[in-house]
Formats: sequence, structure tokens, C-alpha cells
Amino acid sequence: DAGVIQSPRHEVTEMGQEVTLRCKPISGHDYLFWYRQTMMRGLELLIYFNNNVPIDDSGMPEDRFSAKMPNASFSTLKIQPSEPRDSAVYFCASSLRGAGETQYFGPGTRLLVL
Amino acid sequence: AQSVAQPEDQVNVAEGNPLTVKCTYSVSGNPYLFWYVQYPNRGLQFLLKYITGDNLVKGSYGFEAEFNKSQTSFHLKKPSALVSDSALYFCAVRDIEGSSYKLIFGSGTRLLVRP
Repeated sequence: DAGVIQSPRHEVTEMGQEVTLRCKPISGHDYLFWYRQTMMRGLELLIYFNNNVPIDDSGMPEDRFSAKMPNASFSTLKIQPSEPRDSAVYFCASSLRGAGETQYFGPGTRLLVL
Repeated sequence: AQSVAQPEDQVNVAEGNPLTVKCTYSVSGNPYLFWYVQYPNRGLQFLLKYITGDNLVKGSYGFEAEFNKSQTSFHLKKPSALVSDSALYFCAVRDIEGSSYKLIFGSGTRLLVRP
């Protein structure tokens, strides 16, 4: 299996622009998670989906952030408008159903907002 | 509320020596516990997990961890460190009693193995 795939790997944009991050989970996984990693706040869960339905979006920072999962093999995280404080590494992870199941992480998207 | 503490920002050890990376947790019920490793500019890689059963869990690359319920700890260990083990290590917990699949991560411990 190719693992979790994320694109782009790097993104540099200017403040105010729209940013879209993409994720393809491992085939057959029921759960998809979006995380953000920064030096100040560490790893934070932003939102997670079960069978394409958002379950917990309490970690989404504000209305500028939105996430969708139109089908089992694709998810997007969108920031509109972007701000410099959104600069971070964004990870997508997926897992099978089951509370003890392991989450498998993608390589991440490094976002820099100027 | 769930929480994880990794009390050491950095652990330094000489190659060939044993290493320990500490983790303590707090949950209202029983925990599921995980260790991940992150190499520079890479995603998190799963090392091992404790779900139930034997308190000593063996994982990838020769790592193991011991679940200690009375001390609420899940320390990561390796008998003989390699320079290539140098990386950032994260402990994570999920509360079995909760319905959420949310993992709570510690702040991470940087392991530096010197030749």
C-alpha cells in the first residue's frame, strides 16, 4: 500500500490567499484525521471523519478553516483567507474502525503564509 | 480530561547504551497508549501500542514500552541505542471509555544518540 498521500508537500502563499490541502487515506480505512503541528502548540487535532462524515471539528481554529470528505478516498482542508499564523505542518492520518486501531500518518504539507 | 506529559524535552545517550523516553498520562478510564517517531521533514511513524494484555509491549526497530497502571506511565525503552534512533518521539493516549477516536499527543521528546 502507498500509505497516506498528501499534496502539496510544500506551499508558500501570501496572506489573504486561499489554500487547499489534499489527502488520500489508506484504502479501506474508515477514519480520517487532520492535524496541525507547530513549535508553540505541538500536534493538534483539527477535525476527524468517519465514513466521510465529520465527527469532531472542535479543533478547527476558526471559520477560516473548513474540511470536506466527498468520498472515501479524498479529503481537503481549506483555509480562506490564510494568515501568517496559519503557517505550520498539516498532517493527514487514517485508521480502521476500532478504538485501539493505529492512526497512520501522511508525510505532511508544510505551509508558509507570508 | 485526557492528557499526556513527556517531561523531558531532550534525552541524550551514547550509542550502545540503553535509552528511556518517559511518558505519563491521565485519563478518566482505561487508556489506549501509543508511541510514534518523527524524523526530520517526515510524518509520524507508528512504533508500538498498548491496548490490553501484557504490560510489556514490543514494537518496531527494537523498541519496547512498559505500561504501568499504578504510576500511569508508558515509558519507551531500547536496550542499545543507535545513532539512527535520533529523532522526535511522541507519546499519545486515547480514553477507552470515551466514544471519541481522538488521540491526545504529548509535546514530544527529542532523542539525540551520539556516536
